[in-house]
Amino acid sequence: GAGVSQSPSNKVTEKGKDVELRCDPISGHTALYWYRQSLGQGLEFLIYFQGNSAPDKSGLPSDRFSAERTGGSVSTLTIQRTQQEDSAVYLCASSRGQGSSGNTIYFGEGSWLTVV
Amino acid sequence: EDQVTQSPEALRLQEGESSSLNCSYTVSGLRGLFWYRQDPGKGPEFLFTLYSAGEEKEKERLKATLTKKESFLHITAPKPEDSATYLCAVQGRSWGKLQFGAGTQVVVTP
Repeated sequence: GAGVSQSPSNKVTEKGKDVELRCDPISGHTALYWYRQSLGQGLEFLIYFQGNSAPDKSGLPSDRFSAERTGGSVSTLTIQRTQQEDSAVYLCASSRGQGSSGNTIYFGEGSWLTVV
Repeated sequence: EDQVTQSPEALRLQEGESSSLNCSYTVSGLRGLFWYRQDPGKGPEFLFTLYSAGEEKEKERLKATLTKKESFLHITAPKPEDSATYLCAVQGRSWGKLQFGAGTQVVVTP
């Protein structure tokens, strides 16, 4: 596709349920990022994948959060036992790679998660 | 720890009234400073990446500049469609971690 694609665009879930959010990066982009944007808050880094390197998971807020990237392309962010404070927009982004030529980072439209 | 502060928090402009947004930053080893535009309910839309002090980039009515401590986004003769939240972010030693500011909400009235 032409841009970063995320699904679902909106998700309402009950507290305690697990949710999976999907991200399709721009074709050919080796770097993939997940960020979170809570109401009235700035964007918060969650996790970063670059090629076959070990992901940088340092932004994941708790062990209820995990992410994987299969085949160097599609990524899934999983939140287990959701809590109300997990309600936010989850944004995925991708870029061609590292270095100044690959430094343009494009975001998707986000997955809006509401935990009730 | 990388830090980004944007000012003002909000800006209301008349159409045609030029102004500037400020992004002050501290970062260990700047790899890039990014400007994004975000409309309500949408993801951030890429505008510019600046890499070194003295660099300038332009796109339509927008011009971004960079010094060693701050960046400015100049909006020249804005139109109502320039209304959005403008986000600044820095990329330091970690390629994956952009540190974002809280944004400046710009409203341009006819």
